[in-house]
This record gives sequence, C-alpha cells and structure tokens, in this order.
Amino acid sequence: KAGVTQTPRYLIKTRGQQVTLSCSPISGHRSVSWYQQTPGQGLQFLFEYFSETQRNKGNFPGRFSGRQFSNSRSEMNVSTLELGDSALYLCASSLEYRDRLAGTEAFFGQGTRLTVV
Amino acid sequence: KNEVEQSPQNLTAQEGEFITINCSYSVGISALHWLQQHPGGGIVSLFMLSSGKKKHGRLIATINIQEKHSSLHITASHPRDSAVYICAVRSLRDDMRFGAGTRLTVKP
Repeated sequence: KAGVTQTPRYLIKTRGQQVTLSCSPISGHRSVSWYQQTPGQGLQFLFEYFSETQRNKGNFPGRFSGRQFSNSRSEMNVSTLELGDSALYLCASSLEYRDRLAGTEAFFGQGTRLTVV
Repeated sequence: KNEVEQSPQNLTAQEGEFITINCSYSVGISALHWLQQHPGGGIVSLFMLSSGKKKHGRLIATINIQEKHSSLHITASHPRDSAVYICAVRSLRDDMRFGAGTRLTVKP
C-alpha cells in the first residue's frame, strides 16, 4: 500500500511568486491536513480537509489556501511568497476527520521543502 | 509562553540507557500525541493519549490530565532511536498545538 506522497520534494521560488504543493493521501483515506515546519516556529497547523471541505484552519494569512479533490488528493497554495514562507510543508492523511493525528492511524508524507529567495 | 512546553530541548544518551522526555501544556485538550521525526523530515505518529498509559515495544507514553503533563519513555535506547520527538495536543478548539521538540542522540 503506497504511503502519503507529496510533490515536489524540493522547490525554490522567488519572492512574490506563488506556489502549489500537492499531497496524495493513502488510498481510502479521506482526511488530509497540512502543517508548516520552520526552525524558528516549529510545527504549525495550516488546515485540514475532509470530503472536499475545509474543516479547520490554523492562524495563517489568507495567502495560504488549499483544496481537496473528489479523489481526496489535496493541494495547498501560497501566493505572493515571502522569505519567511521558507519551510518544510508536511501533509498527513487519515481515514476519517478528527483522526488526523490519531495514533497510528495518521500517516505523514516526507514533506516539500520550499525555499524562497 | 508556548502553550506546549517540552523538556529537555536536547538529550544525549549512551546506548542502553533509559530516556524520559517531558511535555507540559496549558490548554484544555481532547488528546495528546507523540511524534517522531527523523533527519530528512519524515514524521511518524507514535502515540495518541487521552488518559493513562500506552506501551509499544520499547516506548511507553503516559499522561496525567489533572497535572497537564505527559512523558515519553524509551527503554534500552538504541542509536536508531536518534530523532526529534515532538509533543502535540489537540485543543478543545479542535486545532493542533505543537511543542518545539526534543532532539535525542543515542551514542553507541
């Protein structure tokens, strides 16, 4: 069974550009959540999607957005990139909503490392 | 002050030692999670706790809801346990708050 797949693994963008990151959950998983990890702030929750609907959102500006498709794949978009957006972006999938970090039922991808120059 | 505090920030141990990592939180929670992150970024969810104690192999996690405190113990530590261990809580607002992590290095 394939794990959570995030693409691309590495990305370099210029300030002001926009970026789209992709997350393919484990087959059958319907919940996808996104996290940002930086050396200064650590891990922070971005948002969560279930059945194509955003169920919860962290404290990030509107430049950060996401969506989920009918096949449960999810994308997140960051517009007007800033240097401070450089981070490791992780997604996790789980079978159901509210199981997003439920013990062994939640699975993380390897992350996309975004560098903004 | 961070709502989720972990200690220590860094920990170096010799192979075979018993290790304890602590997590204290200041918000109401519905669950607490322990995560393991290896170099390169991959994260594995180790435990979810809402009360009591859980054990998986050499790993033991406990939580005291009244004291708002959790501990992760590793018995008979091994160099492959070297990783960053992160405590995360699901708040009653249903969002996730994370500790800064504990970097564990186990030397052979």
